[in-house]
Amino acid sequence: ETTVTQSPASLSMAVGEKVSISCKTSTDIDDDMNWYQQKSGEAPKLLISEGNTLRPGVPSRFSSSGYGTDFVFTINNVLLGDEGIYYCQQSDNVPYTFGAGTKLELK
Amino acid sequence: QVQLKESGPGLVQPSETLSLTCTVSGFSLTSYSVSWVRQPSGKGPEWMGRMWYDGDTAYNSALKSRLSISRDTSKNQVFLKMNSLQTDDTGTYYCTSHTMGMDWFAYWGQGTLVTVSS
Repeated sequence: ETTVTQSPASLSMAVGEKVSISCKTSTDIDDDMNWYQQKSGEAPKLLISEGNTLRPGVPSRFSSSGYGTDFVFTINNVLLGDEGIYYCQQSDNVPYTFGAGTKLELK
Repeated sequence: QVQLKESGPGLVQPSETLSLTCTVSGFSLTSYSVSWVRQPSGKGPEWMGRMWYDGDTAYNSALKSRLSISRDTSKNQVFLKMNSLQTDDTGTYYCTSHTMGMDWFAYWGQGTLVTVSS
């Protein structure tokens, strides 16, 4: 089973700043990493899929990079509406596993 | 558009069996796979298992001995049954769909809260 270690656990940012979230995997997963946003009381929403592919309708402020075992999710010019919890998820092998999440708070 | 909706009891007694139904619309179960994902309160999601478009299934090894996923394509429904429930099975249970055989969770239902308590 591939373990996904996500950091930091929480972030407090000002509007307009750049957010960076890291996920490290215990096995090499190529570029099979996905990123989700979960707002309070809602289901997670897919933002970026394998190969650092931005999903349709997702603003270009969101991006990701990485290959192998080290991955980074970035939000440029963060907005108030970006508050929530962000999760990474590996889809290279079963069981699909998620990071523990990063809670993003806007000051 | 793609929609998924979970239904089932909100409260289950310890040691009992959980039965949930996922009713889908906007796609065929013979084209897209459906997974069950659960999330304890305040924690990250956990993938439970997958019903492939061809009827095959895959399970999280941590749950495999207790879990069964089946479907009724004529009713556009996928079913989850998990036995021997304990308090740490409490959480929100989601059904999700995978598009075109991909392995990410493209669409999610609203989720259903399951509480295991006597």
